[in-house]
Amino acid sequence: GQNIDQPTEMTATEGAIVQINCTYQTSGFNGLFWYQQHAGEAPTFLSYNVLDGLEEKGRFSSFLSRSKGYSYLLLKELQMKDSASYLCAVRDPGNTPLVFGKGTRLSVIA
Amino acid sequence: DVKVTQSSRYLVKRTGEKVFLECVQDMDHENMFWYRQDPGLGLRLIYFSYDVKMKEKGDIPEGYSVSREKKERFSLILESASTNQTSMYLCASSPHRGPEKLFFGSGTQLSVL
Repeated sequence: GQNIDQPTEMTATEGAIVQINCTYQTSGFNGLFWYQQHAGEAPTFLSYNVLDGLEEKGRFSSFLSRSKGYSYLLLKELQMKDSASYLCAVRDPGNTPLVFGKGTRLSVIA
Repeated sequence: DVKVTQSSRYLVKRTGEKVFLECVQDMDHENMFWYRQDPGLGLRLIYFSYDVKMKEKGDIPEGYSVSREKKERFSLILESASTNQTSMYLCASSPHRGPEKLFFGSGTQLSVL
């Protein structure tokens, strides 16, 4: 089985940097995903990490440490449109679907 | 762009009714999934399918069934709707190989009265 933990809510200021953490305990591991979901909309893919280290994509970066069962999503130069829920999801080595954490609702304030 | 289309954005049904939620994807994806999303509980997997005619139970299959007669279409069926099935239902698809980058439909907000 898998257990995925992330904070329920976070608030940050426009223009700032915010780090959203995700920890997982799994029987196996074959990659970690981050999705963004605006209120009332479908989740959309942000990033995928399977090896340790930092993956940078514009204002967003995602980090993975497999030995610690830990990932974070880093958002720089926050904009109001970044207000959304951010979902962490983990994949098993077997042919099993992604398991999602409960999501972190980020509010960006002026 | 991949398009995953769910037939209804909002649906209101009565307790005991049989409910069909339809999902169609246009990118020839092998894999299709049905999730429900509830406040404080996140996304929970109901059923999934990795091929036509194939179906597998997810984490919360009770009270649901599915049908995949064609590759592009994956239907979720509530045999006898109950109030605790009021939820947002999200369909998703992904290609067979590679990381499981899911493409989601816009969701169906189902209310069972």
